[in-house]
Amino acid sequence: DAKTTQPPSMDCAEGRAANLPCNHSTISGNEYVYWYRQIHSQGPQYIIHGLKNNETNEMASLIITEDRKSSTLILPHATLRDTAVYYCIVRPINDYKLSFGAGTTVTVRA
Amino acid sequence: GAVVSQHPSRVICKSGTSVKIECRSLDFQATTMFWYRQFPKQSLMLMATSNEGSKATYEQGVEKDKFLINHASLTLSTLTVTSAHPEDSSFYICSAPFSSGDQPQHFGDGTRLSIL
Repeated sequence: DAKTTQPPSMDCAEGRAANLPCNHSTISGNEYVYWYRQIHSQGPQYIIHGLKNNETNEMASLIITEDRKSSTLILPHATLRDTAVYYCIVRPINDYKLSFGAGTTVTVRA
Repeated sequence: GAVVSQHPSRVICKSGTSVKIECRSLDFQATTMFWYRQFPKQSLMLMATSNEGSKATYEQGVEKDKFLINHASLTLSTLTVTSAHPEDSSFYICSAPFSSGDQPQHFGDGTRLSIL
């Protein structure tokens, strides 16, 4: 069973920041928070991951609360190509298995 | 560029046919690979863990005799859907961890299997 809770869908405007929330209240100290996205009919694409600290890369930023029970994925300037299903996944440090929940369907509108 | 290659991208075949799907890690070795299945409008479901040099580990409810997995080398895992039937039609996706530690898994582009 997925250990995360995400809103089923959200819309955002092209060029604006998209903030995707994720709750993982039962996360343990040795579990990462990973974000992937899946564009229609393609394999999932890795976005970013973190353990305790906030992270940023060329695609997005990941903000993890101090208690680690929730996080937010930030797409700084959403484009139409960012329309996808976004998955927030909690993964143990020593286990590569990924358990996908329903994710958030993000639609970027012009 | 892609780090995990999956082939074929699409297969259409008759009921009763066995279908083999290949998953290759490009420019890195993968002692472990994963196979997922995704039905329309649903999320990915892990089917099995492919282990180089040993038997695959199947998730509960996945028939190991139906879905044969062979991890022939450090860069290749194959999934064979034996005697496929229409209910096996699905999107099959493989993945491989890039390296040890906190590195992410990378996914192939998936195989769309349609059984007529």
